[in-house]
Amino acid sequence: QKEVEQNSGPLSVPEGAIASLNCTYSDRGSQSFFWYRQYSGKSPELIMFIYSNGDKEDGRFTAQLNKASQYVSLLIRDSQPSDSATYLCAGGGAGNKLTFGGGTRVLVKP
Amino acid sequence: EAGVTQFPSHSVIEKGQTVTLRCDPISGHDNLYWYRRVMGKEIKFLLHFVKESKQDESGMPNNRFLAERTGGTYSTLKVQPAELEDSGVYFCASSQRGDPEQFFGPGTRLTVL
Repeated sequence: QKEVEQNSGPLSVPEGAIASLNCTYSDRGSQSFFWYRQYSGKSPELIMFIYSNGDKEDGRFTAQLNKASQYVSLLIRDSQPSDSATYLCAGGGAGNKLTFGGGTRVLVKP
Repeated sequence: EAGVTQFPSHSVIEKGQTVTLRCDPISGHDNLYWYRRVMGKEIKFLLHFVKESKQDESGMPNNRFLAERTGGTYSTLKVQPAELEDSGVYFCASSQRGDPEQFFGPGTRLTVL
């Protein structure tokens, strides 16, 4: 079993719709979770991170964490073509080393 | 402010040769991380420096990999001798002390033939 699992996609959403991405993790010791966006051939860039159970909102993005279910999600509201990218979920461990999932590819169609 | 830079952007070498990758973190960032993505797999942690000290090298695959961060500034990752399975994209990331946000460099794509 992988430590962090994501559906590889592609997740196809129409422009203006909500994209919903999911991630599950196996290490109950993970305390922090990160969502990175990676455009093809580029470096990962942090969208947001979350430590506490519940929701955290930042602009069009909302991260949700449920530690009991070992589940993290990312919602992208009002999806734009520029949101088309691979979204990486990562758990933070000791020293903040990141354990990544394989990523979910998102395609936003105009 | 300059971001994390990595050199070279691409490297193609033959099996058995030596390659050295370089990472320049954002100025003032004490934490420096190396990660690697091999084809079809997720990005995996290699090691973590705090200034010039290795904090965690649990992800280093074997003793063919040697990382250094002399003076606590830039870091190098040497692969000697390179094997076919070392091919992939090597990312460097840095962060300030106490800050969870890691800034990633553009990566070095290594191809071992």
